[in-house]
Amino acid sequence: DTAVSQTPKYLVTQMGNDKSIKCEQNLGHDTMYWYKQDSKKFLKIMFSYNNKELIINETVPNRFSPKSPDKAHLNLHINSLELGDSAVYFCASSRGHLYNEQFFGPGTRLTVL
Amino acid sequence: AQKVTQAQTEISVVEKEDVTLDCVYETRDTTYYLFWYKQPPSGELVFLIRRNSFDEQNEISGRYSWNFQKSTSSFNFTITASQVVDSAVYFCAFYNNNDMRFGAGTRLTVKP
Repeated sequence: DTAVSQTPKYLVTQMGNDKSIKCEQNLGHDTMYWYKQDSKKFLKIMFSYNNKELIINETVPNRFSPKSPDKAHLNLHINSLELGDSAVYFCASSRGHLYNEQFFGPGTRLTVL
Repeated sequence: AQKVTQAQTEISVVEKEDVTLDCVYETRDTTYYLFWYKQPPSGELVFLIRRNSFDEQNEISGRYSWNFQKSTSSFNFTITASQVVDSAVYFCAFYNNNDMRFGAGTRLTVKP
């Protein structure tokens, strides 16, 4: 069974479009995260959700919004996509906020043309 | 501002050699967490370890060991008897007060 899954694996879209990336975990964890890895492999945490509360909000553009319908899901919505949004986005989950082992999804490679 | 530096951009070793990946951080706070992650060529991210600032005891997990020294603000990672499967990019990270910072990563290549 896949512990943390993301869909889609690849996403190619035009500038200005709105897109979503879905993330689901079946580990029973209470905290989920989104990370961004740019073309230079630099990693950055974007958001984390604990019990439906946003507890980290990096200085990301407000075009990015996490949405958590339940504890097992944390989706990432991106409006008005820009070229600079091209990156690999990783979802992760853990028991407790950043203090315990995090399990990562396989990543979603977003390409904005 | 908090900062994490991984000065070694790339390291290449031959299998069975020991290798140490350096991580230096900057902070004025006394409570924080340090992490190491592995990203193999396949691209996934793997959590390796979390250490809090009050626990300076070194940790060993199989061929992996971590040396945390507050006096030098370092959290170095050593792989003993390296193997080809250890080839990956390794990231060090720092967390405190809802602020998480990653180092730029060290690419380790282990040659057979």
